[in-house]
Amino acid sequence: ETGVTQTPRHLVMGMTNKKSLKCEQHLGHNAMYWYKQSAKKPLELMFVYSLEERVENNSVPSRFSPECPNSSHLFLHLHTLQPEDSALYLCASSQDWRPLLEEETQYFGPGTRLLVL
Amino acid sequence: KNQVEQSPQSLIILEGKNCTLQCNYTVSPFSNLRWYKQDTGRGPVSLTIMTFSENTKSNGRYTATLDADTKQSSLHITASQLSDSASYICVVILSGGYNKLIFGAGTRLAVHP
Repeated sequence: ETGVTQTPRHLVMGMTNKKSLKCEQHLGHNAMYWYKQSAKKPLELMFVYSLEERVENNSVPSRFSPECPNSSHLFLHLHTLQPEDSALYLCASSQDWRPLLEEETQYFGPGTRLLVL
Repeated sequence: KNQVEQSPQSLIILEGKNCTLQCNYTVSPFSNLRWYKQDTGRGPVSLTIMTFSENTKSNGRYTATLDADTKQSSLHITASQLSDSASYICVVILSGGYNKLIFGAGTRLAVHP
């Protein structure tokens, strides 16, 4: 296990629902990330938090709302999603955000498989 | 445009055989290149990290090479095992004072008995 857990592992929701994805890291890291992984496409970085401050937001639609209450927990709140938002959502953490040197690596959680109907 | 292209998209080999996966990138300025293994239903796990000055790096049966001149990297898997069945993702990290990770789409490898 990598020390990064995600819940739920699978989620099915309608376009009018509100749900939240949870990520927890037990590694004492300072940086946490949300990624979207669609079939046969590269991972897309969505958000980055460093020491509980959002440091990057890659033009993600407002229907995705991240929250980082402390350095160990990261949430992704979902509302009024579209079917094209169906994907695997991966959380990751690393010791620090800046810089990501060769000694630095990201540890990924198992992901939440999301299906929007 | 910063891009990472991986080939082949998918590959099937027999257990015990060797294989080589390719990664070509147009990322600049370059900091380092990573190979990740992603098992089905799991998150990616780092295999190797290579900087500009490194040509080869091994991790067990996995050997990564890097040619910074041609901007190409390869991941060679020796004596494949069934557990090697996974997606292998090439990631290039930009330097220049900020962190930017450029991901390839991955190569899906299936090892058959």
